[in-house]
Amino acid sequence: DAGITQSPRHKVTETGTPVTLRCHQTENHRYMYWYRQDPGHGLRLIHYSYGVKDTDKGEVSDGYSVSRSKTEDFLLTLESATSSQTSVYFCAISERVGTATDGYTFGSGTRLTVV
Amino acid sequence: GNSVTQMEGPVTLSEEAFLTINCTYTATGYPSLFWYVQYPGEGLQLLLKATKADDKGSNKGFEATYRKETTSFHLEKGSVQVSDSAVYFCALLHVVYSGAGSYQLTFGKGTKLSVIP
Repeated sequence: DAGITQSPRHKVTETGTPVTLRCHQTENHRYMYWYRQDPGHGLRLIHYSYGVKDTDKGEVSDGYSVSRSKTEDFLLTLESATSSQTSVYFCAISERVGTATDGYTFGSGTRLTVV
Repeated sequence: GNSVTQMEGPVTLSEEAFLTINCTYTATGYPSLFWYVQYPGEGLQLLLKATKADDKGSNKGFEATYRKETTSFHLEKGSVQVSDSAVYFCALLHVVYSGAGSYQLTFGKGTKLSVIP
């Protein structure tokens, strides 16, 4: 693997509680992404980061926030979890210069269930 | 905007059968194109890629050719194995002009392939 880990791997939480998912990379890549994967929808971008403290929204950002205080860590927070946020969450990393066409490297995913 | 359309699955084939998974795209400019594979319980892995028209990406017996005239990038394999059972995603890489100049991948919805002995 390219040195990207997600934690936790599985989590069950109750509606209305806050949840934070962590993505950690050891590749020193500039770009980091959070996707969610749902049946019939493929992967949809939630938020992404193009540097420390630089983040932007993706197509399904409502109900989610992110932070990146260090190059290696990208946190995804559900401020108040809802059942519609039950999903598998994937983190990905990429580097632009010289490898702009290499696509992404993905983590193994976090399966989140909101009950 | 940018979008990817894949054939709907699931696809079930017998071992050694020929595989085609169709993928077409809509994009501005000339994006790079990718196929990713996801095995059960795992994240996505890059299978192959093509960066310009008429390029052919290949890996593990899979092939796909970047066809600009038909905006397609169909995935093919001449003889599938049980170990090829997975979900396959077509994707295009494009630049986001949001001030960051970042590259983003847009994915199709995925096609589940099951290969039976």
